[in-house]
Amino acid sequence: EAGVAQSPRYKIIEKRQSVAFWCNPISGHATLYWYQQILGQGPKLLIQFQNNGVVDDSQLPKDRFSAERLKGVDSTLKIQPAKLEDSAVYLCASSQGQGNTGELFFGEGSRLTVL
Amino acid sequence: DQQVKQNSPSLSVQEGRISILNCDYTNSMFDYFLWYKKYPAEGPTFLISISSIKDKNEDGRFTVFLNKSAKHLSLHIVPSQPGDSAVYFCAASGTGGFKTIFGAGTRLFVKA
Repeated sequence: EAGVAQSPRYKIIEKRQSVAFWCNPISGHATLYWYQQILGQGPKLLIQFQNNGVVDDSQLPKDRFSAERLKGVDSTLKIQPAKLEDSAVYLCASSQGQGNTGELFFGEGSRLTVL
Repeated sequence: DQQVKQNSPSLSVQEGRISILNCDYTNSMFDYFLWYKKYPAEGPTFLISISSIKDKNEDGRFTVFLNKSAKHLSLHIVPSQPGDSAVYFCAASGTGGFKTIFGAGTRLFVKA
């Protein structure tokens, strides 16, 4: 079974530039998550999709971050314009069920450095 | 607002000994707890979980204990092996629609 795929693995940009990350979840997983992990901290949920609908985006900085999940499969996370404090690893995860009591399957992450 | 706390940033143990990683939570509405393991340059991987209706769950060398009255859980690894060296994240969620909240992680070093 293929795991969660993410790209790019690494990205370096200057502040005020834009960046996009892509995620392909495990086949058949209805729920997709984007987490931000800043160095020394645990992953923080940015947005959760159930199929192609948003379940929770309460911690997504909507003035600069956007995410979509077309056709309930792949997802993209965009940052525009980027700030220095956006430097982090962006983790995509998926899970089978709708609830929040199942394990999450994570991709390898996309490391963003904003200069 | 840290709802899930791992107060030890790092832990070092000798191979063959027991590793005990601790986690505290503040929200009594959490009713499902998970531990994830993370190697460098990889995403976290699920290790073990426990529901609030239990106080212990065991899977091979890994055991998670839950003390609901103290809002505390711990992960025991015995015997510890060098391959267990990684960052361990405690996470909490709930059937009431609570999103999964992660602690800051504990880096475990197992010395050969």
